[in-house]
Order: sequence, then structure tokens, then C-alpha cells
Amino acid sequence: GAGVSQSPSNKVTEKGKDVELRCDPISGHTALYWYRQSLGQGLEFLIYFQGNSAPDKSGLPSDRFSAERTGGSVSTLTIQRTQQEDSAVYLCASSFGRGNTGELFFGEGSRLTVL
Amino acid sequence: KQEVTQIPAALSVPEGENLVLNCSFTDSAIYNLQWFRQDPGKGLTSLLLIQSSQREQTSGRLNASLDKSSGRSTLYIAASQPGDSATYLCAVSSTGANSKLTFGKGITLSVRP
Repeated sequence: GAGVSQSPSNKVTEKGKDVELRCDPISGHTALYWYRQSLGQGLEFLIYFQGNSAPDKSGLPSDRFSAERTGGSVSTLTIQRTQQEDSAVYLCASSFGRGNTGELFFGEGSRLTVL
Repeated sequence: KQEVTQIPAALSVPEGENLVLNCSFTDSAIYNLQWFRQDPGKGLTSLLLIQSSQREQTSGRLNASLDKSSGRSTLYIAASQPGDSATYLCAVSSTGANSKLTFGKGITLSVRP
């Protein structure tokens, strides 16, 4: 596609429910990142996928968070048993080639509100 | 651990003024530095990418410089316009196995008509 696409754009859920957030990167981009942006905070790195390599999961805040990337393209971020502190905007980004040498392109984000 | 600082957190200027936004980082071992713009409720838009071997990049009214040895970058905006009002974030990509970008918290710019 023309840009990074994320869905849903907004999600309101009850505490304890599971949520799935989807990211469709730019076609041909091998690197994919998930970041989280909380109100008044900077961007917090969550996870990084590069081609077929094992993902860098060092930023995931707890074992309730997981992510997959199927076929080197679409990625899904799953949050189990959501908590109120999970409320944030979840941003996905992709880049061509080795992630840390290329320009990063972001999606519009998925705003998650946990009641 | 790489840390990126952007000061001040907010800036208000009259239209037409030339301005400089600052970014500093603690670890000079970087691949590149990238400046982004974020409008309220939106994602990040890439403005300029400077590779570690470069000193500056220009795009229209924007010019970004990089001094890797001192851990500093500046984003220069010429002849500011109300449409430039947004949050500007810098991010550095460090060398090493961890390929994540480290972001500053951003500078919220308001250009008054």
C-alpha cells in the first residue's frame, strides 16, 4: 500500500479483556517496529521485526504483550488481560532494509482505552 | 543506554520567525538521526534523516544538522508559518545488535499568526 496502515484506529475495551492491534507495513519493507505513546510521554519501544530473524522483544513491558509477523508482512500486537495502564496510542512503523539504517515510516496509530 | 533530550518542551513564536529546535543524545555511536513531525492525534511524519557520516540535510524550509562527536542535532525552520505548529521529535538509531530508535519527548511548537 501507499503507507503504513493500522487498525483499529480506536479501541475501547474493558479491563481484563484481550485486544488485537493490526499493522500492515509498506510493501517491500523488511523492518517493522511497534512503539507505544502514552499521554505526555515519549515513544516507548516495544518490539522489532527484521525479515526472518528472531524479533527483538526487549521492549515488551510484560508477558501479557506479544506480537507476531506473518509472512514477513502484516503484524499483530496482542495484549491479554488488559489493564488501565495499557491505555495509550500504539504506533507501528516500517522501513526498507536493515531497520536502523533506513528511514522510518509510521502509521496513524491505534488508540487504546481500557476502562 | 542511549538517552535523547529535547529542550524546551514547548515553544511559541510569531509567524515569520526563523527558529532552531535542539536535540541532544548521550551515546555518539549512532547510525543515523531522524527528525519527525507529529500533529495532534496523528502518527509521525518523517522530515529529515541524517546518516552518521553526514553533517546536514535540507528539505525546503527545513535544515537539520548533526554533530555526532558532541551528541547534538538541530532542526532549523526558516520563515515559520502557523502550519508548522506541531510536535517535533528527534530519534537516534544506535549501533549494535539492538536496532531500535530512541526518541526524545518532543518539542511542541506553536506559531502565532
